Amino acid sequence: KAGVTQTPRYLIKTRGQQVTLSCSPISGHRSVSWYQQTPGQGLQFLFEYFSETQRNKGNFPGRFSGRQFSNSRSEMNVSTLELGDSALYLCASSPRGPVGELFFGEGSRLTVL
Amino acid sequence: AQSVAQPEDQVNVAEGNPLTVKCTYSVSGNPYLFWYVQYPNRGLQFLLKYITGDNLVKGSYGFEAEFNKSQTSFHLKKPSALVSDSALYFCAVRVNSGGSYIPTFGRGTSLIVHP
Repeated sequence: KAGVTQTPRYLIKTRGQQVTLSCSPISGHRSVSWYQQTPGQGLQFLFEYFSETQRNKGNFPGRFSGRQFSNSRSEMNVSTLELGDSALYLCASSPRGPVGELFFGEGSRLTVL
Repeated sequence: AQSVAQPEDQVNVAEGNPLTVKCTYSVSGNPYLFWYVQYPNRGLQFLLKYITGDNLVKGSYGFEAEFNKSQTSFHLKKPSALVSDSALYFCAVRVNSGGSYIPTFGRGTSLIVHP
């Protein structure tokens, strides 16, 4: 069974631009969540989607948004990029309810110049 | 608010020796506890979880963890470390907060196993 796939793996943007990251969950997994990983803040929860509905949202500004499609694939978007948005963005899917283990993709490493 | 503490940024151990990576948590309610491992430039991989039942949980690659409710701890252990165990380890907790189970991760502990 294919794992969680994230694209692109690496990208470089400049301040003020916007970026869209994509995540394809493991087949059959309906829950997708996103995380930001930085050396300073560690792993922080961004949002979670289940059956195309945002179920939870972390403490991030409105520049961070996401969505989930009917095939469970998910995208997250960051608008008006800031230097501090440079991070590894991880997507995870889960087959079970809200307390199941997470299956992570390899991440999208965003560098903002 | 829930929180997870991994008091050691780095743990060094010789190959063949037992290893322990510490995790303590603070929550209101019953915690669901997880350990994940991250290799360089990779995503996190699930190792084991505690939901309910036996306090000693066995997971992947010979790892185990013991849930201690009185000490609010969930330390990760392995009887005999391998060089290939060298990686970044994360403890995480999920607890019901108004119907949400948003995971909270510790800052991570870098495990270095010396040959």
